[in-house]
Amino acid sequence: NAGVTQTPKFRVLKTGQSMTLLCAQDMNHEYMYWYRQDPGMGLRLIHYSVGEGTTAKGEVPDGYNVSRLKKQNFLLGLESAAPSQTSVYFCASSYSLWRVEAFFGQGTRLTVV
Amino acid sequence: AQTVTQSQPEMSVQEAETVTLSCTYDTSESDYYLFWYKQPPSRQMILVIRQEAYKQQNATENRFSVNFQKAAKSFSLKISDSQLGDAAMYFCAYRREGSGNTPLVFGKGTRLSVIA
Repeated sequence: NAGVTQTPKFRVLKTGQSMTLLCAQDMNHEYMYWYRQDPGMGLRLIHYSVGEGTTAKGEVPDGYNVSRLKKQNFLLGLESAAPSQTSVYFCASSYSLWRVEAFFGQGTRLTVV
Repeated sequence: AQTVTQSQPEMSVQEAETVTLSCTYDTSESDYYLFWYKQPPSRQMILVIRQEAYKQQNATENRFSVNFQKAAKSFSLKISDSQLGDAAMYFCAYRREGSGNTPLVFGKGTRLSVIA
């Protein structure tokens, strides 16, 4: 059982380049989230989705876009990467209703130079 | 907006000893969940323990237990018989209960070192 899988695990971008991070979950979860983790800042929510075809902004959404075309996938896009977006990105998913804890992917370390 | 505060950026403990990590939170809600996540050097986020706000009994999971003080909005994690494998970043997190499943709000983390 794979759980939550993020692709890629590492990436180096040049300023201004674009890229898409893919998150896939095989647990039939309704809810999916993208967080970024920076030293001394904990995890901050970028965007989230409460179901297929829906997305919502989190705490730090600027510079990112997301899409949830399929229930199992949640994509995070950077249209024009900036050095301030150097971070570790985590995807997570959770059930609705009775199961409230989130399951996390292994993270993507992104460096923008 | 809900906030979670971890006032100890770093902590250390001798192997086999007990350590307590602090967490406070701010919310106007009465129904919510609290969590402690562990992040070892592998970066994987691992759920350690969770507490439902409506439960008065403190949650326990083997060597891990919490001291949940709802009125004081405090949620500390106690690790007993510390082991080298407990060395990690620990994050306290909050989730409001209600219609729809709201995202986790995290504290900034406490880095725990275990000294052999």
